[in-house]
Amino acid sequence: NAGVTQTPKFRILKIGQSMTLQCTQDMNHNYMYWYRQDPGMGLKLIYYSVGAGITDKGEVPNGYNVSRSTTEDFPLRLELAAPSQTSVYFCASNPGTESSTDTQYFGPGTRLTVL
Amino acid sequence: AQSVAQPEDQVNVAEGNPLTVKCTYSVSGNPYLFWYVQYPNRGLQFLLKYITGDNLVKGSYGFEAEFNKSQTSFHLKKPSALVSDSALYFCAVRDIGTYKYIFGTGTRLKVLA
Repeated sequence: NAGVTQTPKFRILKIGQSMTLQCTQDMNHNYMYWYRQDPGMGLKLIYYSVGAGITDKGEVPNGYNVSRSTTEDFPLRLELAAPSQTSVYFCASNPGTESSTDTQYFGPGTRLTVL
Repeated sequence: AQSVAQPEDQVNVAEGNPLTVKCTYSVSGNPYLFWYVQYPNRGLQFLLKYITGDNLVKGSYGFEAEFNKSQTSFHLKKPSALVSDSALYFCAVRDIGTYKYIFGTGTRLKVLA
């Protein structure tokens, strides 16, 4: 299993540009998440999904959109990039919320700079 | 609302000494608590979790955590630190009734040779 994969690893955007961060998992997990990590701020939840076709907002959804058309993929779309979106973005998946399975598996991250 | 706090930005410990990384929580109901570790330029990795049962939870790489309900704490511990344990450690809680997780701000552990 490759686990959770993210592309690209690095990206520099100009203000106002758009891009999609890709996230794929091959573990057949129902739950998927997007976080951003800013220095000293920990991880903030952007969006999450509990299954294909179902998404919901997290703590910091403004400026982002997601879709979940398949179990495997959970892309994050940035429209009209702003410097405040400069961050490291992590995708994660989770097999379930039963006590035996409740564990987040993280991708390697995408480092995004908006100039 | 559920929350976790990590009061120390950084913890320094000498190799071979015991280490403790602190976490306190605020939840309504029974807490679902987690510890994750992040090595440089990597994603987070699961260390251990407390859902129910024994207050002392054992996890990966020799780490353990003690759940203390009266002090609302879930401190991460290791009896003998290694230089390779140097990393960023995150405490997290699952928001009961949802599928969302709330992470602390992280504590950087530095183990000195």
